[in-house]
Amino acid sequence: RKEVEQDPGPFNVPEGATVAFNCTYSNSASQSFFWYRQDCRKEPKLLMSVYSSGNEDGRFTAQLNRASQYISLLIRDSKLSDSATYLCVVNAGGTSYGKLTFGQGTILTVHP
Amino acid sequence: DAGVIQSPRHEVTEMGQEVTLRCKPISGHNSLFWYRQTMMRGLELLIYFNNNVPIDDSGMPEDRFSAKMPNASFSTLKIQPSEPRDSAVYFCASSLISGALNTQYFGPGTRLTVL
Repeated sequence: RKEVEQDPGPFNVPEGATVAFNCTYSNSASQSFFWYRQDCRKEPKLLMSVYSSGNEDGRFTAQLNRASQYISLLIRDSKLSDSATYLCVVNAGGTSYGKLTFGQGTILTVHP
Repeated sequence: DAGVIQSPRHEVTEMGQEVTLRCKPISGHNSLFWYRQTMMRGLELLIYFNNNVPIDDSGMPEDRFSAKMPNASFSTLKIQPSEPRDSAVYFCASSLISGALNTQYFGPGTRLTVL
């Protein structure tokens, strides 16, 4: 089983749609969680951290369920500029405090 | 503010040649990471340094790969000899690790093609 698993998609949605991505992780001791965004032929960039209580940043909402080892990202009112690959990222912490494990990514295409 | 700087941005070489990739982390960051990204395997951590010391090199594929960080502002990833299967995008990232906080900032990557 992969350490971090995501539905690769692709997700094709119209502008204005709401779309949700899911991610599961295998290490129950994982301490911190993130969503990164990667545009085509560019580097990954931090989109948002994911906190236990859930958190929101504009149109983006992230949720964490530690019991189920599940992370989600919700994008409301999708824009064309949201088209990208979204990477679920987990930090195991402990002796591996520096090591981030990236999922394979979920491809999102927002069309007019 | 300057982000993570990588050079070269593109490298085309022939099998058997030595390849050296370079990275300058963000000033003040205490950790540096080398990743490789391919379509098949996604983004893989090769090695990371904390305060210039290698902490985890379990992702380094084999002895052909080596990485150094002689000081806080410079790191190299060397492949010798290179092989076609090494073709990938190599990213360097840096962060200021503090407790559980580890936000990594990526450089633009080096696109390596080994013929």
